[in-house]
Amino acid sequence: KAGVTQTPRYLIKTRGQQVTLSCSPISGHRSVSWYQQTPGQGLQFLFEYFSETQRNKGNFPGRFSGRQFSNSRSEMNVSTLELGDSALYLCASSATTGARYGYTFGSGTRLTVV
Amino acid sequence: GQQLNQSPQSMFIQEGEDVSMNCTSSSIFNTWLWYKQDPGEGPVLLIALYKAGELTSNGRLTAQFGITRKDSFLNISASIPSDVGIYFCAGGGANSKLTFGKGITLSVRP
Repeated sequence: KAGVTQTPRYLIKTRGQQVTLSCSPISGHRSVSWYQQTPGQGLQFLFEYFSETQRNKGNFPGRFSGRQFSNSRSEMNVSTLELGDSALYLCASSATTGARYGYTFGSGTRLTVV
Repeated sequence: GQQLNQSPQSMFIQEGEDVSMNCTSSSIFNTWLWYKQDPGEGPVLLIALYKAGELTSNGRLTAQFGITRKDSFLNISASIPSDVGIYFCAGGGANSKLTFGKGITLSVRP
């Protein structure tokens, strides 16, 4: 069974640009969550999608958005990039919604904003 | 907001030693999870705890869900070099959001 796949693994963008990150969950998993990981703040919850609907949202500005497709694949978009957006962005999937079941994480996309 | 406290930030142990890590919170959680992260990879789930007082083992790892639902500990017995990594605790509430601790970096000296 393939794990959670995130693409690309590495990305370098310039301030002001926008970026789209992709996540393919484990087959059969319908919940996809996104986290931002930085040395200073650790792992911070961005949002969760389940059956194409956003179920929960963290405390991030509106520049961070996401969506989920009918095949459960998810994309995360960050517009008007700032230097502080440099981070490892992790996607995690679960069979159903609810933290009770734990999440399987992908290897992440390392975003560097210059 | 909710915060999980993990300390110290780093731990250094000798191969073969046992090590215990605590995670505390000012808030109650319904689920406690322990993850390990290797460099360049995402966190990997080690143990999941679902009930206050629950004690669960996974090989050399043992974790407990605190009775107050505000804390958890992870114990690693007979450490080996591949135990090196960052260990995160995470608490889950009524919704799907996980709250993570800042992590403890474990180093194992051969």
